[in-house]
Amino acid sequence: GESVGLHLPTLSVQEGDNSIINCAYSNSASDYFIWYKQESGKGPQFIIDIRSNMDKRQGQRVTVLLNKTVKHLSLQIAATQPGDSAVYFCAEKEGGGTALIFGKGTTLSVSS
Amino acid sequence: DAGVIQSPRHEVTEMGQEVTLRCKPISGHNSLFWYRQTMMRGLELLIYFNNNVPIDDSGMPEDRFSAKMPNASFSTLKIQPSEPRDSAVYFCASRGQGQETQYFGPGTRLLVL
Repeated sequence: GESVGLHLPTLSVQEGDNSIINCAYSNSASDYFIWYKQESGKGPQFIIDIRSNMDKRQGQRVTVLLNKTVKHLSLQIAATQPGDSAVYFCAEKEGGGTALIFGKGTTLSVSS
Repeated sequence: DAGVIQSPRHEVTEMGQEVTLRCKPISGHNSLFWYRQTMMRGLELLIYFNNNVPIDDSGMPEDRFSAKMPNASFSTLKIQPSEPRDSAVYFCASRGQGQETQYFGPGTRLLVL
């Protein structure tokens, strides 16, 4: 998700639900995408990544989906837990480049 | 694995003072990145090093900011003189050779009064 000004998009879910966090990217030349989780007062923590030659990749309780046609990336979290509450950032990297370009982030709030 | 280490974790200083932030990358990683995070601008890349050499410093805001990497296990980001608008969280990240994933440190929370 993209934010406007000071407000980050927020997704509120119940414990045990599945969460889907969305991200739009703009550079059709991007060949690498990554999701980070950032808890309050901590640095971004790597969750999962995907290259542009794939459209889906699964990890433990997380799945990343890539739709290059519409330049859309999503992070799915299965059986969301209170510990998943954090800000989630997507980032992209242009092919041949080094720098990660970060989105503004989406706040995930999980209630028990 | 100790991860990326940053110091200090918190810094409060007065406008005009020099501030030095420190980073120790993950052992064996050859790329190091400095980011700044604010609510308004999100995560911004300031500068990155590859094999201790600065490759791209186009994100450095102005001449008040400078960064060095004297060896593979240490980097500094210096702000001189500091200004209130420099208040932010500064992150260091490192990456292994041939890898894409960047691993972040815990950040330094800087407040310039």
